[in-house]
Amino acid sequence: GENVEQHPSTLSVQEGDSAVIKCTYSDSASNYFPWYKQELGKRPQLIIDIRSNVGEKKDQRIAVTLNKTAKHFSLHITETQPEDSAVYFCAASIIARQLTFGSGTQLTVLP
Amino acid sequence: NAGVTQTPKFRVLKTGQSMTLLCAQDMNHEYMYWYRQDPGMGLRLIHYSVGEGTTAKGEVPDGYNVSRLKKQNFLLGLESAAPSQTSVYFCASSYSGGGVNNEQFFGPGTRLTVL
Repeated sequence: GENVEQHPSTLSVQEGDSAVIKCTYSDSASNYFPWYKQELGKRPQLIIDIRSNVGEKKDQRIAVTLNKTAKHFSLHITETQPEDSAVYFCAASIIARQLTFGSGTQLTVLP
Repeated sequence: NAGVTQTPKFRVLKTGQSMTLLCAQDMNHEYMYWYRQDPGMGLRLIHYSVGEGTTAKGEVPDGYNVSRLKKQNFLLGLESAAPSQTSVYFCASSYSGGGVNNEQFFGPGTRLTVL
């Protein structure tokens, strides 16, 4: 089955700096890659996703890049703010099948 | 719309006791999922359903059973709880596994402690 590895497990950045979280996946058939944000004590919520026919997708300060050849994808957050502090999860799936999640990255934005 | 709701929010069980967690969604979603979340291990899929009357095993199904008798409800059962089942349980639903919209919407979670 699919295996998703996520790095780093913790990340601290100064407010206003950029943050990058990286994931690799094992199943070359995977073609859907969402990112979820989970604030402390809350439910995970989708923040951005990308499909395998696209190399990059942006939504304001958030962007995701995908390299299908290398089987890795990354989340980029620019101009970080304190409210970006949360746990971020990447995931991979073949559309119409279940998601496999990475182990999560605790992002802390320092004021 | 309430979205995805879970009952109960918290529960403490003794080893060997049984319980059922209820998930309900009002978005007319076909797909529903049960995950467990443990520190440092992300979200792991227990069981899922692709429609009313169907269920399938996920990554960590042992010790759990599920039922999807109605499209809007997905029940997770623990027949004989063990301390290893102490976790936070999340239910999720999605419109379908294919097509344009694959977003999974999560419930608020159930924190279960097994003593």
